[in-house]
Amino acid sequence: DSGVTQTPKHLITATGQRVTLRCSPRSGDLSVYWYQQSLDQGLQFLIQYYNGEERAKGNILERFSAQQFPDLHSELNLSSLELGDSALYFCASSVESSGVEETQYFGPGTRLLVL
Amino acid sequence: AQKITQTQPGMFVQEKEAVTLDCTYDTSDQSYGLFWYKQPSSGEMIFLIYQGSYDEQNATEGRYSLNFQKARKSANLVISASQLGDSAMYFCAMREVHSGNTPLVFGKGTRLSVIA
Repeated sequence: DSGVTQTPKHLITATGQRVTLRCSPRSGDLSVYWYQQSLDQGLQFLIQYYNGEERAKGNILERFSAQQFPDLHSELNLSSLELGDSALYFCASSVESSGVEETQYFGPGTRLLVL
Repeated sequence: AQKITQTQPGMFVQEKEAVTLDCTYDTSDQSYGLFWYKQPSSGEMIFLIYQGSYDEQNATEGRYSLNFQKARKSANLVISASQLGDSAMYFCAMREVHSGNTPLVFGKGTRLSVIA
């Protein structure tokens, strides 16, 4: 158990809908990262927050948004869902946001299926 | 250009044998970190081992060791005494530090199957 929690574990929804994925980082971790894992694109970085502020953006679609709250939990909002958004969405956390040695610990993921 | 290359889509190893999973990387940074993660069929990503670019010794964590060859830009994972529970996808990842952007960049992974 990494200490990172994600809810829900599974999500099935229809095209055009909006969903919210939730992540609670490990105790003491200030940085939260969101990754998407799909069969064709592999593991891709979406967005990073550090202590409530957006720190880095990756290949995140405009239909997707995220935020980190004062209690450091984070939510990833996916809207106008398309079939291609079906994927495993991971949240990871680390203590700081800089430093190559910072290990990111991953949550169990949310498996999203868009029908 | 691809940052992390894992050339072995799949590998088989006999139980109790050692296996090496290949990883090469591309970076112009002097300071970077290399990570290996394991993803079993249940889906979670489990951190295995870390190697820093300035570390002179190869990293080891139990049955896992990292064969780090900086000049060749390779960071191969060695699993000794393979167990059936080692069957999983293995991902090599790199973290660079420039412009404050520090997400992980992953390779496409290697699926390891341990045979009894």
